[in-house]
Amino acid sequence: QKEVEQDPGPLSVPEGAIVSLNCTYSNSAFQYFMWYRQYSRKGPELLMYTYSSGNKEDGRFTAQVDKSSKYISLFIRDSQPSDSATYLCAMKKGSNYQLIWGAGTKLIIKP
Amino acid sequence: EAQVTQNPRYLITVTGKKLTVTCSQNMNHEYMSWYRQDPGLGLRQIYYSMNVEVTDKGDVPEGYKVSRKEKRNFPLILESPSPNQTSLYFCASSFTSGDGELFFGEGSRLTVL
Repeated sequence: QKEVEQDPGPLSVPEGAIVSLNCTYSNSAFQYFMWYRQYSRKGPELLMYTYSSGNKEDGRFTAQVDKSSKYISLFIRDSQPSDSATYLCAMKKGSNYQLIWGAGTKLIIKP
Repeated sequence: EAQVTQNPRYLITVTGKKLTVTCSQNMNHEYMSWYRQDPGLGLRQIYYSMNVEVTDKGDVPEGYKVSRKEKRNFPLILESPSPNQTSLYFCASSFTSGDGELFFGEGSRLTVL
């Protein structure tokens, strides 16, 4: 079993919809949680960074961490075609540990 | 412009022909890392470096070598490439491994025939 599970999709939704992307993990020691966005033929770029449980909002994006369920989510409100990309979750146990990555979910926003 | 630069971006080679993928960053980052990305498997770490002359194996180091002689450069060496090393490779850097934000290059697509 992988330490981090992420549905690869693709997830196709109409423009303007609320998108929910999710990852589950098995190691309760993870403390730092990240979402990266990767456009086609580009490297990943950091989108959201959270520590421990709770919500964090940045514009149309909200990252949510539920450590009791070992579940993290990324919500995108008012989705745009420019949001079409692969979204990767990543997490780590502590500041000096390496990141563990999900496989990525491909998101398609239809105009 | 702050960036991580990888070369070549695309390469087709044959089994056994040594090759080097270069990586350079201009942000004075201490930490650098190499990943490979394969469909369904996500990003897997090959090697990483915490600082000059300090390197360590990641999850899939077999068949690869690295060196870190200068802070800005972190080349990935495939001494004898094999077809199972056909992949998309990314170099990444950050200030320290404790800083979660990794800055990635644009990727190098390698095909080994």
